[in-house]
Amino acid sequence: EIVMTQSPATLSVSPGERATLSCRASQSVSSNLAWYQQKPGQAPRLLIYGASTRATGIPARFSGSGSGTEFTLTISSLQSEDFAVYYCQQYNNWPPEYTFGQGTKLEIK
Amino acid sequence: EVQLVQSGAEVKKPGESLKISCKGSGYSFTSYWIGWVRQMPGKGLEWMGIIYPGDSDTRYSPSFQGQVTISADKSISTAYLQWSSLKASDTAMYYCVREYCSGGSCYSAFDIWGQGTMVTVSS
Repeated sequence: EIVMTQSPATLSVSPGERATLSCRASQSVSSNLAWYQQKPGQAPRLLIYGASTRATGIPARFSGSGSGTEFTLTISSLQSEDFAVYYCQQYNNWPPEYTFGQGTKLEIK
Repeated sequence: EVQLVQSGAEVKKPGESLKISCKGSGYSFTSYWIGWVRQMPGKGLEWMGIIYPGDSDTRYSPSFQGQVTISADKSISTAYLQWSSLKASDTAMYYCVREYCSGGSCYSAFDIWGQGTMVTVSS
């Protein structure tokens, strides 16, 4: 089973600043990596797929990078609506499995 | 509009059975994988399993294999998640999700999420 580890668990950043969130896989997942944003009381929303492609309607301030085992989600200039929990998720072909990281809470500093 | 609409909240007792539903609309239901994701109170996301409604091919997470059953009725564009004997530890929000596909390729990510079904199991 592939284990996804996100860091840090909580990140405190001021509005307008840059946030960098990390996700590490226990073995290579190639570029089969997605990022989601979840706000309290809401379902998660897809931000990034294929490690670096923004989903439809996602602002350009969100960017993803990495491949293999190390991935990063960068939010270039934080807006008030960006404070939320972020999850990474990998897909492995065989055995077929989708694994989420434990989440990073992005909070206002 | 593409959407997944889930059935309403449930309150059950330990040992009872339950089947919750997820109805897809606005797209070809038989052409996309539909998965289920659990979120226990205050916790993260866990993938439970996934089904392809076109042929009912189903895969389970090892953590949930034998604990739940995933099915689909393509005639009514609805997927299901069911338990035969609930436990208190099944208390959680359950989301159905659609795998993202575009231009003939699928990307192993979930672009459409249902609103969630809260299941509470308590004696």
